[in-house]
Amino acid sequence: SQQGEEDPQALSIQEGENATMNCSYKTSINNLQWYRQNSGRGLVHLILIRSNEREKHSGRLRVTLDTSKKSSSLLITASRAADTASYFCATDGDSGGGADGLTFGKGTHLIIQP
Amino acid sequence: DAGVTQSPTHLIKTRGQHVTLRCSPISGHKSVSWYQQVLGQGPQFIFQYYEKEERGRGNFPDRFSARQFPNYSSELNVNALLLGDSALYLCASGRRGPNYGYTFGSGTRLTVV
Repeated sequence: SQQGEEDPQALSIQEGENATMNCSYKTSINNLQWYRQNSGRGLVHLILIRSNEREKHSGRLRVTLDTSKKSSSLLITASRAADTASYFCATDGDSGGGADGLTFGKGTHLIIQP
Repeated sequence: DAGVTQSPTHLIKTRGQHVTLRCSPISGHKSVSWYQQVLGQGPQFIFQYYEKEERGRGNFPDRFSARQFPNYSSELNVNALLLGDSALYLCASGRRGPNYGYTFGSGTRLTVV
């Protein structure tokens, strides 16, 4: 079963604009990760935020985590056509060692219009 | 360094057959996980192996099995294939323990007809 939901399911913006995606989850977590997937192929790890962190940056990416609301957001600034992809949040449960695997949402499909 | 390699890339099987999918992790990574991704959905966790032992199992029937070899490569086996097993099967390589991201392979696209 899916742990959470990304919102929106699809997002279309103009190149250069910022894109914001949200993720909600249901159970307690060790960390939350964001992945990108191009055209139904392998996932690319973007960023990991630990349960005791509230915000993290990596290049044009900014992730926030609110464990009280069980939600996270991914902001991509100054979007480029190459950012067109599906974006998934994934939670790593607090059983330790990843034994429960990652639990993914259904993803947000982002389209950057040139 | 080579990334996570999966083989084959595409596969077509008939209902009732069995299939073996293969994965080689990144050198130095001892953990391999398998995920099933049905079209339009996020990946779902099937198994995690670490040091050749099963460390976690998702909610999949016993038709699904896996193993990890001494060189840390892994096989996923699915018996008595159903049409619903058609999916992209992804392998993820990582270090054991929390707070590490995973590196995914490009996947095997399985079609059951």
